[in-house]
Amino acid sequence: EDQVTQSPEALRLQEGESSSLNCSYTVSGLRGLFWYRQDPGKGPEFLFTLYSAGEEKEKERLKATLTKKESFLHITAPKPEDSATYLCAVHPVGGKSTFGDGTTLTVKP
Amino acid sequence: DTEVTQTPKHLVMGMTNKKSLKCEQHMGHRAMYWYKQKAKKPPELMFVYSYEKLSINESVPSRFSPECPNSSLLNLHLHALQPEDSALYLCASSQDDWALNTEAFFGQGTRLTVV
Repeated sequence: EDQVTQSPEALRLQEGESSSLNCSYTVSGLRGLFWYRQDPGKGPEFLFTLYSAGEEKEKERLKATLTKKESFLHITAPKPEDSATYLCAVHPVGGKSTFGDGTTLTVKP
Repeated sequence: DTEVTQTPKHLVMGMTNKKSLKCEQHMGHRAMYWYKQKAKKPPELMFVYSYEKLSINESVPSRFSPECPNSSLLNLHLHALQPEDSALYLCASSQDDWALNTEAFFGQGTRLTVV
């Protein structure tokens, strides 16, 4: 059975304190792994797609990496405006995308 | 235009009412989706339309009825809802068929409250 697990559930950082969010997955075959950002009461906003192990993508203070078992979203020197829930979604071969439960990030000034 | 537009933003309806949620995109995307999201939970897939045909119905109760009038529009008709159906309803679209690994663009959602 396909599974997607995100950790930690919640993360509180001081402004400038770098950290990483984790998305572990178990699928028989991976078509793609997606990262989204969601602000309260809003729809998810697409950040990255990763397709194969070893792939990395960057956008401003965010960098996503992928291995055969997990993906990390690294946040470098975060700012308060990076506070949001970060969702990982895994699209298995022959199946539909499944979202993880998300990590709620709070960055204090 | 890279937006998915949903109307209304907020909706309060009684359990005997009939209402509709609307979604529109002009990105030429061929797949459109309805998701339901409860507080502090991830989006749950409800329906997928691919090339204007219903591809997936995730065993959603019949009080929710989707409709895709054309490639740019997606509706969700609501009838005889229950209070537990209160949630954020999200529409999304993606470039190709749902089975392909393309990212989805989400609307801002409709906050539905059933009283």
